[in-house]
This record gives sequence, C-alpha cells and structure tokens, in this order.
Amino acid sequence: DTGVSQNPRHKITKRGQNVTFRCDPISEHNRLYWYRQTLGQGPEFLTYFQNEAQLEKSRLLSDRFSAERPKGSFSTLEIQRTEQGDSAMYLCASSLAVGPRVAFFGQGTRLTVV
Amino acid sequence: GDSVTQMEGPVTLSEEAFLTINCTYTATGYPSLFWYVQYPGEGLQLLLKATKADDKGSNKGFEATYRKETTSFHLEKGSVQVSDSAVYFCALGSSNTGKLIFGQGTTLQVKP
Repeated sequence: DTGVSQNPRHKITKRGQNVTFRCDPISEHNRLYWYRQTLGQGPEFLTYFQNEAQLEKSRLLSDRFSAERPKGSFSTLEIQRTEQGDSAMYLCASSLAVGPRVAFFGQGTRLTVV
Repeated sequence: GDSVTQMEGPVTLSEEAFLTINCTYTATGYPSLFWYVQYPGEGLQLLLKATKADDKGSNKGFEATYRKETTSFHLEKGSVQVSDSAVYFCALGSSNTGKLIFGQGTTLQVKP
C-alpha cells in the first residue's frame, strides 16, 4: 500500500470555475477526512466519511462545496464557482474507525484561484 | 469548543540544542493528542501520539507527555539535528469521530 493518494497535486483555476479533487485512502481504512490548510496555519477540518456515509460537515463547508465517497472507497471534493478565498491546500486523511485511529495524510492538492 | 494553542515560531536552534515546543489544549471528553510534522515539500506525517492522561508518546528522539492537570502536550527533544528542521503541529483528536483540531504550527530551524 502506498498510502493516501491525492490528485491533482496542483490546480490553477479561474474565479468562477468548478474544480474537483480526488482522494484515494489507504485501502482498509473506513474513515476519510478532508481538511483545508492556508499558509501559516494548521489544517482545518471540513468533513468526514465513515464508509460511504458523510457524518459531519464543518461550517467552513459552504454550499459551494460538496464531497462524496461512493461505495466507501475513493472520495471527491468539488468546489463550484470558485473564489479567490478558496485558494488553499486541500488535505485528505484516512484512518480506521476502531483501534489506534491514527490519521494518515496525503500530500494534498494545492488550489490557486486567479 | 475544543482548541489547541502552540507557541509561536519560528524557533531557531543550533545543532545538538535542547528543543521544547509548547502545546496546550482545551477539550471536553477524553481526546487523544498528537504531534504531526511537515518537512519541506512533504505531507503531514505523524510524529507521536498519546491516547490518555499520563501517556508518553515517543519517536525519533522526540517525546511528549499527556498532562491532563495542565492540559498540555509539550514536545521535547534532547539534541536536535539539522534534519529536524520542519513545521510541527500539535493536534487534538476526538475520541468519537477521529476529527483532528490542529494548532497553528511551529516552524523549527536548526542551524549547523
């Protein structure tokens, strides 16, 4: 297993366009998390899934953001009508729901909205 | 709500110096505590963890003890190396959801 994989690594988009990011978690992990990290700050929680169910969403996740995890495997995070304030690093993490529950992070997708 | 506060950086040390990065938290319930590290150009990596009061997490010469009485989880290393230069994040993990709340990060620069 190569760990948590995120694609693309970098995305530059024009304001108002839609973007979609993908996360492939560690295969046996049933929990998947999305975080956002801006420069000089720690990651902030956006949402998480247990299997295919989205169990919690942060207030940071406006109605322009939507996340899915069909079949409880990979997940996508879509941002509609992007704004310059959406520019950030989007991080995905996965963990088991039982036991140590240690979250393993992907390398992130850096979004730049111009 | 739950929160984590870390000492502000950057922290600049000479090689072989002693390191302390302070971390305090506010939480309800019984969270786990973590230190993650982000090396230049790389993703977040777990450095160490502690799941209950008085537990000591350790890895690669780094240590931190879960102190419930002082709500702290300070990171220490007896002798830092240039290769330890990175950003260090203290985080609190919900025992129910596993959701992490991070501090703002502390940049460590170790000079030869």
